Amino acid sequence: SQQGEEDPQALSIQEGENATMNCSYKTSINNLQWYRQNSGRGLVHLILIRSNEREKHSGRLRVTLDTSKKSSSLLITASRAADTASYFCATGANSKLTFGKGITLSVRP
Amino acid sequence: DGGITQSPKYLFRKEGQNVTLSCEQNLNHDAMYWYRQDPGQGLRLIYYSQIVNDFQKGDIAEGYSVSREKKESFPLTVTSAQKNPTAFYLCASSMFGGSTDTQYFGPGTRLTVL
Repeated sequence: SQQGEEDPQALSIQEGENATMNCSYKTSINNLQWYRQNSGRGLVHLILIRSNEREKHSGRLRVTLDTSKKSSSLLITASRAADTASYFCATGANSKLTFGKGITLSVRP
Repeated sequence: DGGITQSPKYLFRKEGQNVTLSCEQNLNHDAMYWYRQDPGQGLRLIYYSQIVNDFQKGDIAEGYSVSREKKESFPLTVTSAQKNPTAFYLCASSMFGGSTDTQYFGPGTRLTVL
């Protein structure tokens, strides 16, 4: 069963613009993680936010978590062509991660 | 050079054959995972193991089998009972196996049934 649902499914922006991706989930979680996948490759961990945290930053990444709305957002600021990839949210509970279907981000040079 | 490796990168199988995908890690992680990825479906958990000689079924274990005889290795066998095995298979590991762990992924194996 897939808990996280990302929105939008696909996003196309110009280099230098900000990219905002959303994730909604249904049940209680311990944490929420964001991963990135370049085409045909494995996933790479980006950032983890715990259920008692509301916002976290890492370089050009900003993630928020609203447990009352069961939603999270990932903001990539000043996007680059190299940010082109698929992005997945993963919810952590019961010793497992459950991944969403992913968002395809295209950054045009 | 630490990391997690999967082999082969591409694998072709005839219908009715079993095939084994390799996953090795030298990160000294306790937990290892196998996921299946289909286009538009995200990742689905097949099996996971938190300790040597022990493993649990994930959401889509039917038609698959695993073993965990060594900490470093977690091979996945796709059996002939798996009706639609063509997919991209990803192996991952994490330090302890808790839901707050970061998972580290291998490069994947693309399996095609001919």
